[in-house]
Amino acid sequence: DQQVKQNSPSLSVQEGRISILNCDYTNSMFDYFLWYKKYPAEGPTFLISISSIKDKNEDGRFTVFLNKSAKHLSLHIVPSQPGDSAVYFCAASDPDDMRFGAGTRLTVKP
Amino acid sequence: DAGITQSPRHKVTETGTPVTLRCHQTENHRYMYWYRQDPGHGLRLIHYSYGVKDTDKGEVSDGYSVSRSKTEDFLLTLESATSSQTSVYFCAIRGRGGDGEKLFFGSGTQLSVL
Repeated sequence: DQQVKQNSPSLSVQEGRISILNCDYTNSMFDYFLWYKKYPAEGPTFLISISSIKDKNEDGRFTVFLNKSAKHLSLHIVPSQPGDSAVYFCAASDPDDMRFGAGTRLTVKP
Repeated sequence: DAGITQSPRHKVTETGTPVTLRCHQTENHRYMYWYRQDPGHGLRLIHYSYGVKDTDKGEVSDGYSVSRSKTEDFLLTLESATSSQTSVYFCAIRGRGGDGEKLFFGSGTQLSVL
């Protein structure tokens, strides 16, 4: 029962262009959404988050968009840099639980 | 850095042997979690703790037990390891205050069960 889905296992973009990572969820009780970034041999690190009362949150080059009616969120990275190459996990939480997607491997080519 | 240390970082063991992984935190966080990461599954919760001696099961708890006798230490035990438990294990703590909705992860333990 995957309540959080990242349907693209991988994404490749050119340096300087926009990266768009997508995430869908099924549980309407989720009220907080997060993106984590993971480099090889390291733990996931928090990147950006959004509360269900908002539809957009921006932090520098990173913007997360939330469409509650579609149960969909996306992470935009502009401009993409080679150092952004990593696995990105989407997460959704309610007061009792946090669920993660399977991850999307982003490769940014110089 | 949330002051989380996992040990060991790497472990190779044989099927049927017991294994204990340790998570140590230095900042007195109340909530601690154990996740496993597997290709195609992302991060799945095994067990969590909401205080000393207070623990509960997560999504994939079968074959695992946990203990928390001190605030700073959360132990994950595989009583009799199986090959399906080969995975990367991450410990996490829940932040406080404005970070209360976020989890902060350790560096992970790569476990191989042969």
